[in-house]
Amino acid sequence: EPEVTQTPSHQVTQMGQEVILRCVPISNHLYFYWYRQILGQKVEFLVSFYNNEISEKSEIFDDQFSVERPDGSNFTLKIRSTKLEDSAMYFCASRPGHKGTDTQYFGPGTRLTVL
Amino acid sequence: DAKTTQPPSMDCAEGRAANLPCNHSTISGNEYVYWYRQIHSQGPQYIIHGLKNNETNEMASLIITEDRKSSTLILPHATLRDTAVYYCIVRSPFGNEKLTFGTGTRLTIIP
Repeated sequence: EPEVTQTPSHQVTQMGQEVILRCVPISNHLYFYWYRQILGQKVEFLVSFYNNEISEKSEIFDDQFSVERPDGSNFTLKIRSTKLEDSAMYFCASRPGHKGTDTQYFGPGTRLTVL
Repeated sequence: DAKTTQPPSMDCAEGRAANLPCNHSTISGNEYVYWYRQIHSQGPQYIIHGLKNNETNEMASLIITEDRKSSTLILPHATLRDTAVYYCIVRSPFGNEKLTFGTGTRLTIIP
């Protein structure tokens, strides 16, 4: 069964450094998402992406964040200058997009630790 | 999207049916009820969704009341691997695509 994959599974970085989190959505899916979950808190929406542009973003997704689909298979989340409070699990999701009721499928997540 | 209310935690004996309730009294006519679960810190896993008819798949059954103001997710024969946080999410099929997660129900399966 096709799955969303994410790399790395765990990323440790120093505050102020740039990180890129990578995702390979399910093939033929058209809509892509990033969510994050700070330890012990809810899963929070960050951004949705369709047709090579952001379709919606949350207040969390400020100028430090960017997303890209560089090669038709990968979907990346970049954090330009990490802060301690960026430490969280980051989940990528994708959905087919052929109808409004279709389902988002999530990857296993990347645990980002900012020191 | 309509707000949902779920009990914070539940226990169920292994092998028994786990029935997880969800209230969504402000649901509108075109909004669907989705269920996801999250095992430990893994990515949320899709379980099932429905509009007004009861639904069943290989994982679970979804019972939606006639007035659609509440629903119940049923895991027919719970196993230890079903221990997870279960999220009930109401979502419109139009426009706003994001999933809004609440705090869910922490289901613990007791051996």
